[in-house]
Amino acid sequence: SQQGEEDPQALSIQEGENATMNCSYKTSINNLQWYRQNSGRGLVHLILIRSNEREKHSGRLRVTLDTSKKSSSLLITASRAADTASYFCATDHTGNQFYFGTGTSLTVIP
Amino acid sequence: DAGVIQSPRHEVTEMGQEVTLRCKPISGHNSLFWYRQTMMRGLELLIYFNNNVPIDDSGMPEDRFSAKMPNASFSTLKIQPSEPRDSAVYFCASIRTGGESEQFFGPGTRLTVL
Repeated sequence: SQQGEEDPQALSIQEGENATMNCSYKTSINNLQWYRQNSGRGLVHLILIRSNEREKHSGRLRVTLDTSKKSSSLLITASRAADTASYFCATDHTGNQFYFGTGTSLTVIP
Repeated sequence: DAGVIQSPRHEVTEMGQEVTLRCKPISGHNSLFWYRQTMMRGLELLIYFNNNVPIDDSGMPEDRFSAKMPNASFSTLKIQPSEPRDSAVYFCASIRTGGESEQFFGPGTRLTVL
């Protein structure tokens, strides 16, 4: 299976703290994306990082990509209770061949 | 834009019955994906279409599952006959023509097969 793996599976932090979650994958990619899923809802795209990029920022989100280690991390700074959700990485391998990871469940305690 | 539309939002049926899930992608999007999400297996890609043509259906679990895209604005996923292990949330997603591979997801259909 080319499904990615997120780590940790679950994360609980206090509001205002930073949250870091990691994603590992198995084969070379065109790009890697992070998605968010609130309970009972569809996934929402957060950020995309191309295989030739190493770091990308969007608001309170920071994504890094290490293609040599086949891994990525998502950092959410100054977390808020509204950030409580599941976060998934998705790898794009051959154009429109997507594999989603297993997800990290983030709980931000007010 | 209304986003990706899926219907029904919830479906409860008995084993052996036929189930049809529907999806309307965002106008102008030329790729459409069907996913299944369960606690045990996570998010699985079932099939995807490009310009209404099925490109990869290797994720379709068995012959009981079939998908069609008769035109650019409509797709169906059919399960016949349904089984309790088909219970899951089924998502449809689409990608904008000529854009990055950012997927826009529908709200999902929660299927329960008794």
